[in-house]
Amino acid sequence: EDQVTQSPEALRLQEGESSSLNCSYTVSGLRGLFWYRQDPGKGPEFLFTLYSAGEEKEKERLKATLTKKECFLHITAPKPEDSATYLCAVQAVVDYKLSFGAGTTVTVRA
Amino acid sequence: AAGVIQSPRHLIKEKRETATLKCYPIPRHDTVYWYQQGPGQDPQFLISFYEKMQSDKGSIPDRFSAQQFSDYHSELNMSSLELGDSALYFCASSLLVGGDLEDTEAFFGQGTRLTVV
Repeated sequence: EDQVTQSPEALRLQEGESSSLNCSYTVSGLRGLFWYRQDPGKGPEFLFTLYSAGEEKEKERLKATLTKKECFLHITAPKPEDSATYLCAVQAVVDYKLSFGAGTTVTVRA
Repeated sequence: AAGVIQSPRHLIKEKRETATLKCYPIPRHDTVYWYQQGPGQDPQFLISFYEKMQSDKGSIPDRFSAQQFSDYHSELNMSSLELGDSALYFCASSLLVGGDLEDTEAFFGQGTRLTVV
């Protein structure tokens, strides 16, 4: 069964203090690894997908890097509006459903 | 751009009642997924449909059923509701056939918050 583990569970940052989130995964053939951002009471908002080890993607202050067993989401100089729960999910080759990690809740203080 | 539309946004039901949640996928998308997210938990996969046929099944209780209609909208029917069914229910859609690899990315609706009292 696909497993996704995210760490840390919570991250409190000062505005401008860069940091990284980790997503470790085991999957029987990775089709893609997805990052979503979720605000309280709202649906997950798609950020990006990575498909192969060594791939990197960037969006504003976020940069994701995929390895064979992990994916790192680096937040550079975060702002308070970056506060959210960041969800990592994997999609296996054999099916299309997403298996989510428990998320990392990021709080950025001004 | 059009997004995934879910209705209703909020629903309050009593125990043992029935609820129906609706999902309208992004136009052109051929696949719909349903997820349940309890308080403080990650989304749990319930069921998915591709071209109106059930394609995958997760941890969906027997009390729940779902279908996808000819216009690609989907409905999640929940019977004999229990207090533990209170959660956010999300629908997501993607395009699996006829698009680029990136089209398989799943986009989520804003969810239906179901409260069972």
